[in-house]
Amino acid sequence: GAGVSQSPRYKVAKRGQDVALRCDPISGHVSLFWYQQALGQGPEFLTYFQNEAQLDKSGLPSDRFFAERPEGSVSTLKIQRTQQEDSAVYLCASSLYNGLAGGPHLYNEQFFGPGTRLTVL
Amino acid sequence: AQSVSQHNHHVILSEAASLELGCNYSYGGTVNLFWYVQYPGQHLQLLLKYFSGDPLVKGIKGFEAEFIKSKFSFNLRKPSVQWSDTAEYFCAVNARRGSNAGNNRKLIWGLGTSLAVNP
Repeated sequence: GAGVSQSPRYKVAKRGQDVALRCDPISGHVSLFWYQQALGQGPEFLTYFQNEAQLDKSGLPSDRFFAERPEGSVSTLKIQRTQQEDSAVYLCASSLYNGLAGGPHLYNEQFFGPGTRLTVL
Repeated sequence: AQSVSQHNHHVILSEAASLELGCNYSYGGTVNLFWYVQYPGQHLQLLLKYFSGDPLVKGIKGFEAEFIKSKFSFNLRKPSVQWSDTAEYFCAVNARRGSNAGNNRKLIWGLGTSLAVNP
């Protein structure tokens, strides 16, 4: 597609409910990132994939958060047993970066989707 | 730990005024630097970026930023703002560790600056 798409755009969940957020990156983009943006804050890194490999999940706030990208394209961020503090906008970004030496910085630009606004009641 | 600080959280200007938004980061190594903008109701989009070379970089819509390594700063400037520049502005940093740092591609973000330009 022309850009990064995310679905749903808005999700309201009751506390304790599981949710799944989807990200479709730009076609051909190797790298995929998830960020969490609370109200009035900057985005906070959650996790990063290079193709299907999850290379960095240091930002996931708890074991209730799980992300996957099984075929190296679409990614899903799953939050189990949602809590009120999980309410935020979840941003997905993709990048051409492929990890090869000699010019990785050329592909470091991340393109963002519109985000999914999650509200936990 | 790496961090990014943006000094101004809310800025209000009149059209044609000059703009400078401060951004400082804490990381002693080589960095890639970015300014992203989020217009009302839209998603984040890249305004400009610095990877290497000329420390004065020019971006879209007349914006520019200067990387001053000794001050760990990457301030955003525009000589004359327009009403359409009303948006949220974010500074972000990526620490570069070698040429194949596949495990360190994340961006560290500032809290953002909300800019309102009055017509």
